[in-house]
Amino acid sequence: DTAVSQTPKYLVTQMGNDKSIKCEQNLGHDTMYWYKQDSKKFLKIMFSYNNKELIINETVPNRFSPKSPDKAHLNLHINSLELGDSAVYFCASSPRADTQYFGPGTRLTVL
Amino acid sequence: QKEVEQDPGPLSVPEGAIVSLNCTYSNSAFQYFMWYRQYSRKGPELLMYTYSSGNKEDGRFTAQVDKSSKYISLFIRDSQPSDSATYLCAMGNYGGATNKLIFGTGTLLAVQP
Repeated sequence: DTAVSQTPKYLVTQMGNDKSIKCEQNLGHDTMYWYKQDSKKFLKIMFSYNNKELIINETVPNRFSPKSPDKAHLNLHINSLELGDSAVYFCASSPRADTQYFGPGTRLTVL
Repeated sequence: QKEVEQDPGPLSVPEGAIVSLNCTYSNSAFQYFMWYRQYSRKGPELLMYTYSSGNKEDGRFTAQVDKSSKYISLFIRDSQPSDSATYLCAMGNYGGATNKLIFGTGTLLAVQP
């Protein structure tokens, strides 16, 4: 039983393309997050949704647009991909702020 | 200055050693503290969390928080090769709708058999 799942696991694409990453959680949590982890393992929050409502947007470029069709899903769409977008993107969910459960990550490589 | 500082390592220890992993922080408003373990090419896995100063034990793991010194530690007793991973500290405070975790940069631990 996968608690937080993400697709795809790997994504290799050219600069300028548009891509989406999908996340689903079956834990019944109200809050979901997107994090970016750079090559030095630094994990930084990008967005947070609570019950489909955006509550945190951490100065992320407009090219990144999250969408939550329901509280079990949080997708991330990225327009006009740049080299600096290469990273591992993690989805997480939580019943409350202090305990967050992470997905397996999507490794994005922009060429 | 970063809000949370963590020595990136790598830290290499022999099997059976006691491991001490540490983080310092600058924001005295932090109210909860957690440790995540991240194996290579996997997502972070919640190991321990605590809300108050003092120690919390779970099996071979002990989390320690000293709010007066703004310092947290994770101790691993009888370390095993399977403990080899990156350990991330994280902390946050209850601030209404904008609760968020601030992570350290992680310490890479290698336990040698």
